[in-house]
Amino acid sequence: KAGVTQTPRYLIKTRGQQVTLSCSPISGHRSVSWYQQTPGQGLQFLFEYFSETQRNKGNFPGRFSGRQFSNSRSEMNVSTLELGDSALYLCASSYGTSGYQETQYFGPGTRLLVL
Amino acid sequence: SQKIEQNSEALNIQEGKTATLTCNYTNYSPAYLQWYRQDPGRGPVFLLLIRENEKEKRKERLKVTFDTTLKQSLFHITASQPADSATYLCALVRDSNYQLIWGAGTKLIIKP
Repeated sequence: KAGVTQTPRYLIKTRGQQVTLSCSPISGHRSVSWYQQTPGQGLQFLFEYFSETQRNKGNFPGRFSGRQFSNSRSEMNVSTLELGDSALYLCASSYGTSGYQETQYFGPGTRLLVL
Repeated sequence: SQKIEQNSEALNIQEGKTATLTCNYTNYSPAYLQWYRQDPGRGPVFLLLIRENEKEKRKERLKVTFDTTLKQSLFHITASQPADSATYLCALVRDSNYQLIWGAGTKLIIKP
């Protein structure tokens, strides 16, 4: 099976702009989770989507949003970018049918740099 | 507050020796715990999962233990190799809301 793919891999934006990141999960996986990773904070959970519904949410401001499509592909949007949003954004998929966050299969990430 | 702690300092081990990484947690009632490996600039890769009623799990040169009394998991790599050098993350699933909570990771360096 093909792994989790994320696009784009690298992105440079300026403060105030918005950005949309895309994630395609492993075939058959219906749960997609998004994480932000920075050297100082480690891996921070943003949100999880299952069957087009947000099932879990971390402690991030409303500028961070996401959605999931009927084919399980997911997008994450960050509006009004701040310098502190510079990070590696990781997407992970799992079957999701157990009702909890199962073993996560991660994509390669999108490296976002905000100038 | 509830959190997971891993050694923040890098762990330097001589090739061939056993590397042992620690994951401590407080104020959780875990359902299970997972260990992942992460190489620079890449996403974490799942290694092992151990449930609360299991004391030990093995996979090739990897071994994980889970002590719910001590609130600690140990991750061992035997006969370590330079290729084992990476950051290792532990993640715990709370049995209250089944959400994964992540440690910050420990950087392991295996020296030839």
